[in-house]
Amino acid sequence: QQQVKQSPQSLIVQKGGIPIINCAYENTAFDYFPWYQQFPGKGPALLIAIRPDVSEKKEGRFTISFNKSAKQFSLHIMDSQPGDSATYFCAAEKQGGSEKLVFGKGTKLTVNP
Amino acid sequence: DGGITQSPKYLFRKEGQNVTLSCEQNLNHDAMYWYRQDPGQGLRLIYYSQIVNDFQKGDIAEGYSVSREKKESFPLTVTSAQKNPTAFYLCASSAWGQGRRSEQYFGPGTRLTVT
Repeated sequence: QQQVKQSPQSLIVQKGGIPIINCAYENTAFDYFPWYQQFPGKGPALLIAIRPDVSEKKEGRFTISFNKSAKQFSLHIMDSQPGDSATYFCAAEKQGGSEKLVFGKGTKLTVNP
Repeated sequence: DGGITQSPKYLFRKEGQNVTLSCEQNLNHDAMYWYRQDPGQGLRLIYYSQIVNDFQKGDIAEGYSVSREKKESFPLTVTSAQKNPTAFYLCASSAWGQGRRSEQYFGPGTRLTVT
């Protein structure tokens, strides 16, 4: 049973476009939602994270939008650049400190020049 | 320079052989994790350890074993019982506990190919 569903699987945009990656979850016990960025042949790195007490969080060109009632959250990349081409993973973690992240299956983003 | 080291970057083994993947961290993190990554499958948790000399199975532990004898080291053994061992293996660590959320830091990964 997949606990975090991520879409789309792949995404191609032109430079300057605004790619949007969506994630949905079922378990209302999740209370921490990070996004990781992974370049080919490298390990993932934390990009931005949000908790359900806010509806939006921005860090530079990256924004997370969170809809608690719909149990959905999304990543927006403003003014996307070719250097943003990577695989993006959403994740969720339960309250209670188990420290186990549940990952989505990833979205491969390509930003064309 | 703090971080997580995984070695080797590429590893080749014959079917039926056990192989051990190394993971070392100098971040003074209590928790360490092993994930397996396959194309289109995301990251799946194999084992994790929150404290020295203790570890728990993740979602896909069958065919794998780990040890945590030192805080900074968490080696993963892929045994011959693992039916499909070819994959990209990622080690991570985090400062578990202290009543706060902690980012998981990932190593560069080891790509294991079994033929």
